[in-house]
Amino acid sequence: GAGVSQSPSNKVTEKGKDVELRCDPISGHTALYWYRQRLGQGLEFLIYFQGNSAPDKSGLPSDRFSAERTGESVSTLTIQRTQQEDSAVYLCASSLVAGSESPLHFGNGTRLTVT
Amino acid sequence: QKEVEQNSGPLSVPEGAIASLNCTYSDRGSQSFFWYRQYSGKSPELIMFIYSNGDKEDGRFTAQLNKASQYVSLLIRDSQPSDSATYLCAVHGSGNTGKLIFGQGTTLQVKP
Repeated sequence: GAGVSQSPSNKVTEKGKDVELRCDPISGHTALYWYRQRLGQGLEFLIYFQGNSAPDKSGLPSDRFSAERTGESVSTLTIQRTQQEDSAVYLCASSLVAGSESPLHFGNGTRLTVT
Repeated sequence: QKEVEQNSGPLSVPEGAIASLNCTYSDRGSQSFFWYRQYSGKSPELIMFIYSNGDKEDGRFTAQLNKASQYVSLLIRDSQPSDSATYLCAVHGSGNTGKLIFGQGTTLQVKP
């Protein structure tokens, strides 16, 4: 596609519910990244994929967070038993390949509100 | 020590002035460095990247890298009110990692 697409753009959920966030990367981009941005804060690294593998998932905050990628394309970030502190904008980005010389292109994000 | 550090600001400059944004990083083996701009409520967009020591110019923007000092900066010449945004420094770690770490960002305000 023309750009990174994320859905939904907004999600309001009740504490304790599970949510799934979706990311469609730019066609041909083999690397895919997830970041979290709380209000007024910087980007917090969560996980990245090269192909369908996740070489670094060190940023996932707890075992309530998981992510997968299939077909070297779409990725889903799942948050189980959501908590109020999970409220943030979740940003997905893709690049040609994971590594030094490949800039990231970001989607518009999913704004998650946990009530 | 944070992996990538930036002064959060705000940095306020008058229109037409040079804005200087600074970033330090902790991983001495880092090889590539990026500057992203983020307008309020929007996603980050790439401004520049730099891999080699020295200066790299693109229009009104100049990135400067000093690996020995673990320091990277962004200069914006002839600052415009439309440059008002948060500027994020991002650094790839050493080795073959694809992990890209962002600083907290510096908010720039350009006053007419």
